[in-house]
Order: sequence, then structure tokens, then C-alpha cells
Amino acid sequence: DGGITQSPKYLFRKEGQNVTLSCEQNLNHDAMYWYRQDPGQGLRLIYYSQIVNDFQKGDIAEGYSVSREKKESFPLTVTSAQKNPTAFYLCASSTVEVKYGYTFGSGTRLTVV
Amino acid sequence: SQQGEEDPQALSIQEGENATMNCSYKTSINNLQWYRQNSGRGLVHLILIRSNEREKHSGRLRVTLDTSKKSSSLLITASRAADTASYFCATDARGSARQLTFGSGTQLTVLP
Repeated sequence: DGGITQSPKYLFRKEGQNVTLSCEQNLNHDAMYWYRQDPGQGLRLIYYSQIVNDFQKGDIAEGYSVSREKKESFPLTVTSAQKNPTAFYLCASSTVEVKYGYTFGSGTRLTVV
Repeated sequence: SQQGEEDPQALSIQEGENATMNCSYKTSINNLQWYRQNSGRGLVHLILIRSNEREKHSGRLRVTLDTSKKSSSLLITASRAADTASYFCATDARGSARQLTFGSGTQLTVLP
């Protein structure tokens, strides 16, 4: 079955550590996205990529980094520069054509301990 | 930036009743989409309505779009307890290079 997989489901980070969240899709989608969701709120765009080896900052890119070396993969690194990283992180993918909407992964909940 | 804003923030109804959620947005759009999110899970795409469409149906879902008022509504008919979830509108703004902007969501609770 085609889909988008995020791992891990839960992640704990110590102060000052970098952590990397995985996102893999086998839908042959060109575009991939990372969103952050805080409790009771909507989604805010961190980074997006429309093609391999290219990505763009979203609304809240500070303290985060990404790479897009393969079409299937779009990992997100939460760096120590991100001062308030505790949140629910969602990865999504889509075709370039709009009509089918985004396909989302099941999310990674990151907690700073 | 939050493009869409849903109203109400929370809605509680009895099973069998209809649920209506509204979304307002600020800029010109290519399309508007509605998503559903169960607690602690990813979002699921429900329906997409293009800027040149006024109404669209999918099963028990009915979406309307009024581009002159920059607003949309999602109607869920004959609601079920399993419809309990958060519902988000998302806009694909013209010239936005395809990234969606999501609203803050409506939390729908359907009581059995």
C-alpha cells in the first residue's frame, strides 16, 4: 500500500541536542512538507520541497533544517537553536497538481526533557 | 501566517444532527480544502473545492464556497459518534507555490 511514514512516533530531546525526524513516502509525490502543530492550534509550515535537492523555508523555519536528497525522503532536524521544540510534527506529500490534496503521515510528538 | 479561520472553535451535537463549520480566509485562492484530524493522528483529506466552484458533495459532506465573501462552509449531515474529530480548512493561495495554509480548526464532538 502506498503511504507516508513518519518515525519515531514519540521522541524525547534533552536541552541542547539536535534530533532528526524521519519522513518517507512511496506515493511518487514530488512535493513534501513539514508542519508543526501546537496543542489546540492549526498547522504552521516549517519547510517544503517541490523537487529533489531543492527546498524552501516556510513561516517558522528558524531552528530547523531539512534535506531532500531522494524523492522519497524529507528528514527534518530540530536543532538546539529551536528554543521551544515541544510540539507535534506532521509530514505531508502531494503531487504538483492540486486536485488530490495532501497525504499526511501519522506524526511525531517531540518532547523536550 | 494563518490564512483560514474556522468558526466555531468547538461544536457539540447529538448523533443524527447536522454539523456546520465555517471558514474565512484573506487572500485570493486557487482552491480550498477540508481536512479531518482524529486526536493525536495525522490529517485526512476530505474534499477540495476549486475557486470557480460554488458547491461540492461527497457522501454526507457538503462544502460551499463564496469567493466574494472569502468564506466556505462544511456541512456534515446525519452525524455519527465516529465523526468526532477536529476539522481544518486549508487554502491554496494564488501565487503560493502550492503550499497550503491551515486554519486553527473546529473541534466537533458528536454525542451518542
